[in-house]
Amino acid sequence: KQEVTQIPAALSVPEGENLVLNCSFTDSAIYNLQWFRQDPGKGLTSLLLIQSSQREQTSGRLNASLDKSSGRSTLYIAASQPGDSATYLCAVCGRDDKIIFGKGTRLHILP
Amino acid sequence: DTGVSQDPRHKITKRGQNVTFRCDPISEHNRLYWYRQTLGQGPEFLTYFQNEAQLEKSRLLSDRFSAERPKGSFSTLEIQRTEQGDSAMYLCASSLRGREVSLGANVLTFGAGSRLTVL
Repeated sequence: KQEVTQIPAALSVPEGENLVLNCSFTDSAIYNLQWFRQDPGKGLTSLLLIQSSQREQTSGRLNASLDKSSGRSTLYIAASQPGDSATYLCAVCGRDDKIIFGKGTRLHILP
Repeated sequence: DTGVSQDPRHKITKRGQNVTFRCDPISEHNRLYWYRQTLGQGPEFLTYFQNEAQLEKSRLLSDRFSAERPKGSFSTLEIQRTEQGDSAMYLCASSLRGREVSLGANVLTFGAGSRLTVL
């Protein structure tokens, strides 16, 4: 049974700093890993998807990496802004196409 | 296509009543997923469909929960005899799953969710 863990559960950093969010998963037989953003009371917005054959994906100030063999992914946010404040969720798609989420990291960027 | 639609957005009901949520996926998407999310937690997988076929329902929280996708388009999630512990956000997502598994597709697009409050 796939389990997805995100560390830290919450993070506060001053504006302008670079930061890293971590995601680990127990079953490395995956198709892809997706990072989402969720604002309070809202639905989920897809940020980046990394396929199992890829090592990283970039979109603007976001960079996601994947080390499938060790069961880890990181989301790097450069030059953080107050608008980046949200919950960031990692989701792993297994070979059975079930997509399992972590509990998320609540990020607060201090102005 | 305006994305994944969920209805209603918010439902308040009394304990013991039945509720039904509807999800309209992106039209060309063949996969449809239901999740439940409680405050401070990540989405919890409930069930999923490939067209009209329900691929797994063992994760549905109890036999009071059921889901259908009768024509492979919209889906409904029904909760019978609601309990206060059922209060949560119910999220629907859809994706296009191609034949080529090596493409590692299955990018999820989520709806805005249906919030259930059981009094």
